[in-house]
Amino acid sequence: GAVVSQHPSWVICKSGTSVKIECRSLDFQATTMFWYRQFPKQSLMLMATSNEGSKATYEQGVEKDKFLINHASLTLSTLTVTSAHPEDSSFYICSARSGRAGNEQFFGPGTRLTVL
Amino acid sequence: QKEVEQDPGPLSVPEGAIVSLNCTYSNSAFQYFMWYRQYSRKGPELLMYTYSSGNKEDGRFTAQVDKSSKYISLFIRDSQPSDSATYLCAMPAGGTSYGKLTFGQGTILTVHP
Repeated sequence: GAVVSQHPSWVICKSGTSVKIECRSLDFQATTMFWYRQFPKQSLMLMATSNEGSKATYEQGVEKDKFLINHASLTLSTLTVTSAHPEDSSFYICSARSGRAGNEQFFGPGTRLTVL
Repeated sequence: QKEVEQDPGPLSVPEGAIVSLNCTYSNSAFQYFMWYRQYSRKGPELLMYTYSSGNKEDGRFTAQVDKSSKYISLFIRDSQPSDSATYLCAMPAGGTSYGKLTFGQGTILTVHP
């Protein structure tokens, strides 16, 4: 299967700082990338969908000014959590899909964010 | 009511047992039904998917879909300790195989030796 990487795998930051998480498709071109958030023992909740070269589409209740998503190339999307607070502490997972119809989403290994 | 409901468990079984994992859903537009396995602190990986109603078998895993009841199941035969993980059902929107996914809550499974 296709490989999706995330960096960093774990980050600890102080409240009020911004954190950037990278999602890369390593062996295919991802026209669409998805960002999910997962709280402990809970399911994945879709935050936003991003298509290469266009603005991300955010799910209801997700603050677009707080969670900045950039999908500038076919292999890289970034999620920036701005002015992070302890309640933003979570497991952030990206997935990527190529443009071919019927292709599945391939998930990254996730990034654990802890905001102190 | 959530679109996809899944009993979170946890479920603990002895090695070799048959495991049954289930989800119900409310959106009759769903056509594809997926099962993901997620190990602790890792991203989900696609285990199986089925289209419409019926059964699909892959090794020790069997997926069943009953669209009339809006009920899907994943069976694991001869369960192994390496099967210990969280199992998530998921359904893509729009009746396609690649729409945005709605996940169930996930069932935590532990298979003990």
